[in-house]
Amino acid sequence: SQQGEEDPQALSIQEGENATMNCSYKTSINNLQWYRQNSGRGLVHLILIRSNEREKHSGRLRVTLDTSKKSSSLLITASRAADTASYFCATVSDYKLSFGAGTTVTVRA
Amino acid sequence: KAGVTQTPRYLIKTRGQQVTLSCSPISGHRSVSWYQQTPGQGLQFLFEYFSETQRNKGNFPGRFSGRQFSNSRSEMNVSTLELGDSALYLCASSSLKSGGGRTEAFFGQGTRLTVV
Repeated sequence: SQQGEEDPQALSIQEGENATMNCSYKTSINNLQWYRQNSGRGLVHLILIRSNEREKHSGRLRVTLDTSKKSSSLLITASRAADTASYFCATVSDYKLSFGAGTTVTVRA
Repeated sequence: KAGVTQTPRYLIKTRGQQVTLSCSPISGHRSVSWYQQTPGQGLQFLFEYFSETQRNKGNFPGRFSGRQFSNSRSEMNVSTLELGDSALYLCASSSLKSGGGRTEAFFGQGTRLTVV
């Protein structure tokens, strides 16, 4: 079974708009990570947020973590066509990454 | 630094056969994990190796096995293939300090296995 659940399952936005996706998880974690996957290829690590952090930024990405609600959000600002991909959250515990089902983001030109 | 290399990239096998997939981690990385990705089940954890020892295993039947060599390269084997084993198999390596929490994982491009 998957630890994280992303919401929404799919998102379609216009280039330049912001994209927000959420992740909920069930058990305690060491950290939470976000990954991107372009169609049928390997995953690319985007950002890692530790359980004692609340917010983290990396370029156009902003991640928040609320351990009391067991949830995280990923915000992509000023989206570009190249941001079209599936985005996964992954929780880490006991040396294992557990992935959610992912959010498919389509950025329209 | 070279990335994570998985071979082969594509594979077609017949039901009942067995298959071995290979993964070469990033130099210096001692942790190698394997994942299966299918449209129906998403990304499922198979197993993780660290310094040639399996530290964690997912909920897969015994037909799925793996090993890690002293140079950290890893192989996974699937015996008696079934149609449902058709999937993208991803390998990830990470640099893990002994006793510490996990860092980010670096994924290979995957091996696309088709069982016919």
